[in-house]
Parts: sequence; C-alpha cells; structure tokens
Amino acid sequence: SQTIHQWPATLVQPVGSPLSLECTVEGTSNPNLYWYRQAAGRGLQLLFYSVGIGQISSEVPQNLSASRPQDRQFILSSKKLLLSDSGFYLCAWSSISFGISGNTIYFGEGSWLTVV
Amino acid sequence: AQKITQTQPGMFVQEKEAVTLDCTYDTSDPSYGLFWYKQPSSGEMIFLIYQGSYDQQNATEGRYSLNFQKARKSANLVISASQLGDSAMYFCAMREVNFGNEKLTFGTGTRLTIIP
Repeated sequence: SQTIHQWPATLVQPVGSPLSLECTVEGTSNPNLYWYRQAAGRGLQLLFYSVGIGQISSEVPQNLSASRPQDRQFILSSKKLLLSDSGFYLCAWSSISFGISGNTIYFGEGSWLTVV
Repeated sequence: AQKITQTQPGMFVQEKEAVTLDCTYDTSDPSYGLFWYKQPSSGEMIFLIYQGSYDQQNATEGRYSLNFQKARKSANLVISASQLGDSAMYFCAMREVNFGNEKLTFGTGTRLTIIP
C-alpha cells in the first residue's frame, strides 16, 4: 500500500533562518506531488505541485521554493524565513492524472512551522 | 470569484442527527472532480468521498454521501447518524485537469461540532 511521510512534524525557527521540509512517498511510482500551506483557522493554499523529477509549478509568489530530486521525494525550502511563513504545511500525492480528475489526493501528517 | 465556497464557518449538531455541509463551486471545465476531506484537531487530512463531474449517481461511502447538483454547481456532504468523532473541520475541494495542467482548490472549511 502507498504511504506518505513528511518531517519534521514541528519546528520553531527564527526569522531569517533557512527551512527544509521533506516529504517522501512509498508504494507508488511517478506520483503527482504537492505542497500546501494552511494558516491558522484557514483553508488550504496550494504552493507547489510537481508532475515529475525536476518539474515544479508554483501557484503563488513567495519566498519559498520546492525541489524534486527523486521520483518520490519532494522538498520545500526557504533561504530566509519570514514571520508570515508560519503555518501548517501539508505534503500530498496523487496518481498521474492523464486527464482524469478523479484521482484521490492523499496527505501526509503535516508539519507545524512557527517562525519567531 | 471564489472557486470553492463553503458558507458555513461553523455548525453545531446533536449527536445521531444527520448533518449537511454546503459546498458550491465554479468552473468552466467539463471535466472536474469534487472531494471532501475531514481534518481533526491533529491536523491530518482524511479523504472522505469523491464525485466526478460525469458521474450519474451521487457518491456514497458508509455514513457519508455527496448530494451532487451539477446544474446548481453544488456538492453538499451529508453525514447520517452523526457521532462525537465527527467533530472536525471539513473541507470541500475541486480538482480541474486541463491540457495536462492541474488545479486544485480548497474551500475555507466548516467546523462541525457534534453535541452529546
């Protein structure tokens, strides 16, 4: 069966420090991968998605970046964190679409980031 | 304009009663998928139910059913015989796939509280 893991689960980082959140998927190949952010009490905002190694699409301008160095690995990074980067970050995966909209999206456990 | 609208920020329902969570969407694509997710206080996003735009029948999964009214562009979630464990945030989401580009949009969520 497929599983998705992301880490760390929680972190507190000072303003201006770098960030690296990692996500891996097991049990499937060539998945679509996503990074979402959820501000406190708010809905989910899609940050990045990837349909393959090295292929990253950004949904919103920000000081975050994403990379996909391996098929089932997705990394969210920042060189210098801002206070507004605080939130709950969720990695997710789904099967490759090929025009089919019904592939379910599965989420990781989430990472709570507090920038102080 | 909002792609996904959830007009109920919070709901209180007596245990064992049925509850309907509203969701309306906006798209011009003929092919799309609608999802409902549950997010308990732990933060994980749990997939509940899916409805495809071409599906003729309303989706059902155990106590969950989706009241899909395509002409009205609504996809309300119905939970029958509510339980205390149903207390959580509920998100409606829409997935559009067009020429290989994928758009995933979540609503702002409804916080459901089940009263014993």
